[in-house]
Amino acid sequence: EAGVTQFPSHSVIEKGQTVTLRCDPISGHDNLYWYRRVMGKEIKFLLHFVKESKQDESGMPNNRFLAERTGGTYSTLKVQPAELEDSGVYFCASSQDLTNYGYTFGSGTRLTVV
Amino acid sequence: SQQGEEDPQALSIQEGENATMNCSYKTSINNLQWYRQNSGRGLVHLILIRSNEREKHSGRLRVTLDTSKKSSSLLITASRAADTASYFCATGPTSGTYKYIFGTGTRLKVLA
Repeated sequence: EAGVTQFPSHSVIEKGQTVTLRCDPISGHDNLYWYRRVMGKEIKFLLHFVKESKQDESGMPNNRFLAERTGGTYSTLKVQPAELEDSGVYFCASSQDLTNYGYTFGSGTRLTVV
Repeated sequence: SQQGEEDPQALSIQEGENATMNCSYKTSINNLQWYRQNSGRGLVHLILIRSNEREKHSGRLRVTLDTSKKSSSLLITASRAADTASYFCATGPTSGTYKYIFGTGTRLKVLA
């Protein structure tokens, strides 16, 4: 089966611009998660979708971040406007049975805001 | 909030040696998972140990869990250069949530 796919793999944008990250989960996985790792710090939870619904968005840092999951399939994470501190690696993961099999992560999107 | 903290932050060993990494957390958990991140790549799930388990093996990996001490260890035996990566523990949820908390990771370097 295909894994979790993230696009783009790298993005360099200027402060104030908008960037949209995309994640295609494993087909059939209802649960989709976004995490990010900033500057070698811990990997932090951003939010969790169950199908198209936001189950938990407690980790979203502020209202410059908007996540959607159209029709319960792929998800997008938009940062608008981007700030320098948004730089980091954004990971997407999907799971059908988290407590037994854990996450399947994508390769991540490295975002650099200059 | 619960948090996994790995120790040491960095570890450098010779090929063939064993590598041990530790993880401590703060609250009760359902399970604990270990992940590996090779440079520039995504996270790979290595092993999951449930709160009622004490030890688990997978190939050259051995994970222990001590819920009374809220700690876990990951042992990689007979390390190889390809094991060079960052290793993270993720502590699992109790009721009501479905998110896992990651620590800052241990950077392992295996020298050939």
